[in-house]
Amino acid sequence: GNSVTQMEGPVTLSEEAFLTINCTYTATGYPSLFWYVQYPGEGLQLLLKATKADDKGSNKGFEATYRKETTSFHLEKGSVQVSDSAVYFCASGGSYIPTFGRGTSLIVHP
Amino acid sequence: KAGVTQTPRYLIKTRGQQVTLSCSPISGHRSVSWYQQTPGQGLQFLFEYFSETQRNKGNFPGRFSGRQFSNSRSEMNVSTLELGDSALYLCASSIQEAYNEQFFGPGTRLTVL
Repeated sequence: GNSVTQMEGPVTLSEEAFLTINCTYTATGYPSLFWYVQYPGEGLQLLLKATKADDKGSNKGFEATYRKETTSFHLEKGSVQVSDSAVYFCASGGSYIPTFGRGTSLIVHP
Repeated sequence: KAGVTQTPRYLIKTRGQQVTLSCSPISGHRSVSWYQQTPGQGLQFLFEYFSETQRNKGNFPGRFSGRQFSNSRSEMNVSTLELGDSALYLCASSIQEAYNEQFFGPGTRLTVL
């Protein structure tokens, strides 16, 4: 079956640092790929998505590019803020049953 | 537009009991999916309903069941509760039957004693 693997956390950064959270997937076809964010006590919120190879999803300064060659969808942000502290989930879906990574906790210090 | 709502938000049960959780999707959304989130296993897909029909089911025992009503509201039921069923149960809705953008509710925190 499909699977999603993302880097384990927590990732601890200082404000304004560069962020990368790695995500790779395995799939029999070409799923859509997503990043979701979960703040404490809340459900998941869609952060960005990409539906086909070479698509770049972006939102709130976060970006991720669908790389078919490396089966990756790494999340990046140039300058993180304290308010970005949350748990980030990489997921695959589209025409396939959704599969989520284990989540990566991001902690941003002032 | 109101978001996905789940009731109750918190629930405490004892082993052997059964429980029913409720989810109201965003208006106009016909697909409702359920997930179990635990620290050990992460987020795992339980099942998805679309237009009152279960379309897909994850790898969970038959004690976990669900249904969807004509207004797209959904319920999930867990019978003969076990300690390992303690988890955050999330409901997500989407417009289409394909798993594109999903909107999640805040979850129901179930504790089994």
